[in-house]
Amino acid sequence: DVVMTQSPLSLPVTVGQPASISCRSSQSLVYTDGDTYLNWFHQRPGQSPRRLIYKVSNRDSGVPDRFSGSGSGTDFTLKISRVEAEDVGVYYCMHSINWPWTFGQGTKVEIK
Amino acid sequence: EVQLLESGGGFVQPGGSLRLSCAASGFTFSTSGMSWVRQAPGKGPEWVSLFHDDNTRQYADSVKGRFAISRDDSRNTLYLQMNSLRVDDTAVYYCVKDRGDFWGQGTLVTVSS
Repeated sequence: DVVMTQSPLSLPVTVGQPASISCRSSQSLVYTDGDTYLNWFHQRPGQSPRRLIYKVSNRDSGVPDRFSGSGSGTDFTLKISRVEAEDVGVYYCMHSINWPWTFGQGTKVEIK
Repeated sequence: EVQLLESGGGFVQPGGSLRLSCAASGFTFSTSGMSWVRQAPGKGPEWVSLFHDDNTRQYADSVKGRFAISRDDSRNTLYLQMNSLRVDDTAVYYCVKDRGDFWGQGTLVTVSS
């Protein structure tokens, strides 16, 4: 199974400041079709996860442009250019290159 | 608007069975891959089962042989038959479209004696 490793696991942030979360996979997430199947999700307390980013850097509909994804192969990053209060919660990276699709451990973002 | 509405969760004793349902609307269900993803209390999500758009099915090792995913495209409904339930199957079960672009609100399954 592909293991997804996130860092940090806890991220205190100041509103208006940038934030960055790293995700590393145990094998390349580049599929035979040339796409890289790495997604980012955000989960607020008591809510379902919401996908923010698919295929490394594509924002889902309605996702603010302060969120951006980057990376290649096995190393990926989610960046928030200016954190807002509503961005608190847990962020997960997830791969869907082969079965089983797996998530990282999660990064808990809280406001300082 | 895409909507996924799960039902069928509840309290069951170890060894028991439950059948979850997910009523889908707002997209072409018959051509979409659909999944069940669960999240145990205080834990991260776990992809439990996937019904590919090519009609193949996948299961996590933890549920293989006990759970069965199915769908009724005429009713736009996804199912998860869960047998031989264990305490560690306790979780919120989400119905999920494709590679996670839409999630339902979840249904809680509690397995306890």
